Amino acid sequence: EIVLTQSPGTLSLSPGERATLSCRASQSVNSNHLAWYQQKPGQAPRLLIYGASSRATDIPDRYSGSGSGTDFTLTISRLEPEDFAVYYCQQYGSSPPITFGQGTRLEIK
Amino acid sequence: DVQLVESGGGLVNPGGSLRLSCAASGFIFNTYSMNWVRQAPGKGLEWVASINSGSNYIFYADSMKGRFTISRDNAQKLVYLQMNSLRVEDTAVYHCARGWGCSGGSCYLLDWGQGTLVTVSS
Repeated sequence: EIVLTQSPGTLSLSPGERATLSCRASQSVNSNHLAWYQQKPGQAPRLLIYGASSRATDIPDRYSGSGSGTDFTLTISRLEPEDFAVYYCQQYGSSPPITFGQGTRLEIK
Repeated sequence: DVQLVESGGGLVNPGGSLRLSCAASGFIFNTYSMNWVRQAPGKGLEWVASINSGSNYIFYADSMKGRFTISRDNAQKLVYLQMNSLRVEDTAVYHCARGWGCSGGSCYLLDWGQGTLVTVSS
């Protein structure tokens, strides 16, 4: 089973700043099959990025994903008020189980 | 618009059973993998089970094997999760999610339902 470790646990930033979230895998993720999700309180998660760097439908271009192998990054170039939420990475590069990182909470400074 | 609506949650005693349903609409149901993912109160996401479009590839998380059963009815556009021998630690919101881009049975999750709360307590 691939274990995903996200850092930092909490990130405190101001609107307009750049956010960089990390996801590290315990072993290489096949074909960069890594996704990122955003979850706001009381809501279902929303797909942001798949294939490590492809934006999902209707996701603003201030969101970008990068990385390969075991190290992946989600970058939000200029934070908007609606971006403050919890973010999860997920790998789907191997036979189940699908695994998620423990999440990074992005909060307003 | 894609809609996934879960139902069937509630309060159940430890050792009891519950069947969750997920009604899908807005997409061609019989071409997508479907998944259940749960979230304990205040905790992160945990994948539970997946079933491919033809119900011939079914996978479970280790802690659910032998207790949970995922199934689907393509004619009715429904996916189910039968949960038996429930434990206190199964308390969570259970989301169904539409899978795509699958590799070896693992997919990314395009759309999610709002979830249904299962509480296991005496």
